[in-house]
Amino acid sequence: GQQVMQIPQYQHVQEGEDFTTYCNSSTTLSNIQWYKQRPGGHPVFLIQLVKSGEVKKQKRLTFQFGEAKKNSSLHITATQTTDVGTYFCAEYNTDKLIFGTGTRLQVFP
Amino acid sequence: SAVISQKPSRDICQRGTSLTIQCQVDSQVTMMFWYRQQPGQSLTLIATANQGSEATYESGFVIDKFPISRPNLTFSTLTVSNMSPEDSSIYLCSVVRTSGRTDTQYFGPGTRLTVL
Repeated sequence: GQQVMQIPQYQHVQEGEDFTTYCNSSTTLSNIQWYKQRPGGHPVFLIQLVKSGEVKKQKRLTFQFGEAKKNSSLHITATQTTDVGTYFCAEYNTDKLIFGTGTRLQVFP
Repeated sequence: SAVISQKPSRDICQRGTSLTIQCQVDSQVTMMFWYRQQPGQSLTLIATANQGSEATYESGFVIDKFPISRPNLTFSTLTVSNMSPEDSSIYLCSVVRTSGRTDTQYFGPGTRLTVL
């Protein structure tokens, strides 16, 4: 079946450094969604990308959908301790959401 | 948005017993989803629960092990049957809200299950 892989699996950064997680699929994605899960919490929706090459920004977060719609990235500029958590990409297709493997981000003050 | 509650929030169970998890949504939804998240792992979809019909299970999950009820448009239960330590996980229910072209999935707080 379809697998959505994310790299890296873990990332430790110093506060103020940038962070990027990459999401790769073996098949063309109809859309890509990004979620954040704080430690001990549940996933919270961040954004949805639909168009090839689409770029969206939310404050320090930049989301990109690849031209071939097989990959996506989330970039955080100048990380803060509040950015700590696991970031998941996911595809919503045929009425169900399939999650990527996730990237756990740790930010040291 | 959607407000979702789950009961219990956590439980510790003995091997061979069963646990039923309840999920309540603040408004009517067509589909409810049940996920499992094992420690340090991603979320895996167990099944989709539709009101008035049998749940649709994903590969690797069967009704005998994870029976689901969906008696109305705001409520669902997931039972973990004949539990073993491998069933220790967080179980989450979720719903989808569509706004424009965006389908946002909202999650309940989860039920943390430990099987001894």
